[in-house]
Amino acid sequence: GNSVTQMEGPVTLSEEAFLTINCTYTATGYPSLFWYVQYPGEGLQLLLKATKADDKGSNKGFEATYRKETTSFHLEKGSVQVSDSAVYFCALSSRENDYKLSFGAGTTVTVRA
Amino acid sequence: KAGVTQTPRYLIKTRGQQVTLSCSPISGHRSVSWYQQTPGQGLQFLFEYFSETQRNKGNFPGRFSGRQFSNSRSEMNVSTLELGDSALYLCASSLELAGIHEQFFGPGTRLTVL
Repeated sequence: GNSVTQMEGPVTLSEEAFLTINCTYTATGYPSLFWYVQYPGEGLQLLLKATKADDKGSNKGFEATYRKETTSFHLEKGSVQVSDSAVYFCALSSRENDYKLSFGAGTTVTVRA
Repeated sequence: KAGVTQTPRYLIKTRGQQVTLSCSPISGHRSVSWYQQTPGQGLQFLFEYFSETQRNKGNFPGRFSGRQFSNSRSEMNVSTLELGDSALYLCASSLELAGIHEQFFGPGTRLTVL
């Protein structure tokens, strides 16, 4: 079945630091990969996505590249802000699994001024 | 375009009671999925409805049920509530067109069982 493993947190950074959150996956077929973000007290927001190997998803300064050879989809941002403090979830879906989303455990990121 | 809406946002119930949560998808979206989020288990898939039919189901007991109406609005029901049902319940809708299966989430309903 499908599964996602992401780096455990919490992660605490200073403003303007570089952020990386590792994500690896196991899936049958050719999954689509996603990063979702959850701000305190809110639901999930789609941050970025990639639907095939070597695709790069990007949004709000965040980037992630779909690496089929390493089954990875690591999230990066070059210079974080306090407003990036949130919980980040890596997820995948595939046709073979009826497009149900499988989520990682989530990584809590705190950015200090 | 309005996003996914969920009502109520917060609920407090006692053990043994039942509860109904509501989800209105983005206009034009025909698929609605429900997820349970808890600190211990993370995000878990409950079920998915498409065109008023349950299309997929996760590994939850029969106390958890749902339905979808002709306007794509969905409800989920939990009967005989247990303390462990305390969670954030998230609804997501999807367009399901030309291979697009991206899911958009609502703000969630926070259920507390006392």
